[in-house]
Amino acid sequence: DAGITQSPRHKVTETGTPVTLRCHQTENHRYMYWYRQDPGHGLRLIHYSYGVKDTDKGEVSDGYSVSRSKTEDFLLTLESATSSQTSVYFCAIRKSWGLAPYNEQFFGPGTRLTVL
Amino acid sequence: DQQVKQNSPSLSVQEGRISILNCDYTNSMFDYFLWYKKYPAEGPTFLISISSIKDKNEDGRFTVFLNKSAKHLSLHIVPSQPGDSAVYFCAASAVGNEKLTFGTGTRLTIIP
Repeated sequence: DAGITQSPRHKVTETGTPVTLRCHQTENHRYMYWYRQDPGHGLRLIHYSYGVKDTDKGEVSDGYSVSRSKTEDFLLTLESATSSQTSVYFCAIRKSWGLAPYNEQFFGPGTRLTVL
Repeated sequence: DQQVKQNSPSLSVQEGRISILNCDYTNSMFDYFLWYKKYPAEGPTFLISISSIKDKNEDGRFTVFLNKSAKHLSLHIVPSQPGDSAVYFCAASAVGNEKLTFGTGTRLTIIP
């Protein structure tokens, strides 16, 4: 258990409405990630953060924005939700192991988002 | 361009036998590889990893093999148990890169 929570766990919304998903960690890890999981696509990176106010895009960032104002919270926003953004969203953190080149990421429980 | 490929969407194995899940990659810069296991309605959980300086890593019933020349890795589970039924993702990362690239997953079903 890496101390990661996601909220809400389920959400149904309508096309065109804004949606914000929250990821919260309790262990003060520097790196945080947002993924979406879709059948046939596996896990795809949306955005990630390498520190407070430091974020970068992943492979499927269009239509999404993120913010990180505190180490423990990483927010994913869909400014105007579309049906193609119906998915399961996972937050992850990367634990650092000193100088070792380890890159394990640990995932939250996920948020199932349905856009009607 | 799928840099990490899991060509078998599903696999069924008898309980007690060996399960072998395969993964291929195309990016020669990848040097660290991971396997994750995912149950329905839960987040993926880290299972085992291997660095490119090794060709095998073992952890209990789970062993990962890496063939760098073939750009291929495999996860062996022996003996397979009903609780191993899940979706398995392989992932890869490159030196100095904080991101992981995931495959599309293989659904493993263990038949009692």
